[in-house]
Amino acid sequence: SQQGEEDPQALSIQEGENATMNCSYKTSINNLQWYRQNSGRGLVHLILIRSNEREKHSGRLRVTLDTSKKSSSLLITASRAADTASYFCATDEFGAGSYQLTFGKGTKLSVIP
Amino acid sequence: DADVTQTPRNRITKTGKRIMLECSQTKGHDRMYWYRQDPGLGLRLIYYSFDVKDINKGEISDGYSVSRQAQAKFSLSLESAIPNQTALYFCATSDSASGRAYEQYFGPGTRLTVT
Repeated sequence: SQQGEEDPQALSIQEGENATMNCSYKTSINNLQWYRQNSGRGLVHLILIRSNEREKHSGRLRVTLDTSKKSSSLLITASRAADTASYFCATDEFGAGSYQLTFGKGTKLSVIP
Repeated sequence: DADVTQTPRNRITKTGKRIMLECSQTKGHDRMYWYRQDPGLGLRLIYYSFDVKDINKGEISDGYSVSRQAQAKFSLSLESAIPNQTALYFCATSDSASGRAYEQYFGPGTRLTVT
């Protein structure tokens, strides 16, 4: 079963605008990650936030985590056409010890030049 | 990521045929994974291996088998392919010794079509 569910399923914005996508999950987690997938290609790791962290930044990316609501958001500031891709959250279940990741269905972001 | 390679990149096969997808990595990672991705869906884990002697079933292992021939090689087999196994297949790796064991590195994918 899929742990993470992204929202919205698709998002279209103009270049320069900010893009926000959300992820909800079901069980307690150790970490939450965000990955990017360009069309038909492999996923690329973007950022990891631990369950005891509330916010993390990496370049134009800002990730927040609310463990009480079991949700996370990914903000991409000053978007560029090159940010056009699908974005997936991935979680690993607390206590499972297996390092397995469970991926959501993704948000497809289109940045219009 | 060029450090994780998959062959073939595209394959069309007929129902009932046996097919093997191969994954090789030069990252020196101990852990390897096979996922499938269907249109509009996230990735689902098929099998994973934490070292050469360790093989574990994932969420959707039925109809698949794997072999970890060496630390750097992990192959996925479909013993008798069926049309609903048409999907994009990804291999991934992670490094338990790095302190970033949860981060996975993906290959470019194999697009498999079963007719």
